[in-house]
Amino acid sequence: AQTVTQSQPEMSVQEAETVTLSCTYDTSESDYYLFWYKQPPSRQMILVIRQEAYKQQNATENRFSVNFQKAAKSFSLKISDSQLGDAAMYFCAYRRVIQGAQKLVFGQGTRLTINP
Amino acid sequence: GAVVSQHPSWVICKSGTSVKIECRSLDFQATTMFWYRQFPKQSLMLMATSNEGSKATYEQGVEKDKFLINHASLTLSTLTVTSAHPEDSSFYICSARVQGRPRPQHFGDGTRLSIL
Repeated sequence: AQTVTQSQPEMSVQEAETVTLSCTYDTSESDYYLFWYKQPPSRQMILVIRQEAYKQQNATENRFSVNFQKAAKSFSLKISDSQLGDAAMYFCAYRRVIQGAQKLVFGQGTRLTINP
Repeated sequence: GAVVSQHPSWVICKSGTSVKIECRSLDFQATTMFWYRQFPKQSLMLMATSNEGSKATYEQGVEKDKFLINHASLTLSTLTVTSAHPEDSSFYICSARVQGRPRPQHFGDGTRLSIL
């Protein structure tokens, strides 16, 4: 079974600085999807960024980028120019590609605090 | 695009009451929806996968008679917590999967259920 591990329960960063959240996963499959979701205090789950395992290029969405290391099974999220609105719980998630296998496997989450 | 609406956002009711939560995909059709439960400061736990026109698939340990799921149309899934008790108090979140790779799940705003 696939597992996702976020080893940092909490992180903090100064406003405007850069922070990296770690995520590792375990799978025997070669093709899969990886996601980062953000959950602010409102508790809505917001998709931040997505990565397809067969794509070597790291995904980027404005100030958010990932460092996808397939061989190491690592999928870290980098937030540049941190803003107060980035404060939230961040969840890394894995999903298989196989038709019918649609579950998201979530990590434990990392609580990110932005210091003004 | 890919908006998921969940209603109600907060419900308080007496023990023994049955509570229905609705999850709607507003601008896309969702043959599959998912129901999660989240305890404070924890990750999301998948309860069941809701399939349009067929029975839901429940995760191990989830009581199907307690948590009734109906997915009668391509845009609506409902979760009914039957004879709710205080231990059923939690945050419930639904999601729906869009078509096309990488087919991310988009989440509703969640429902805070408090059983007195």
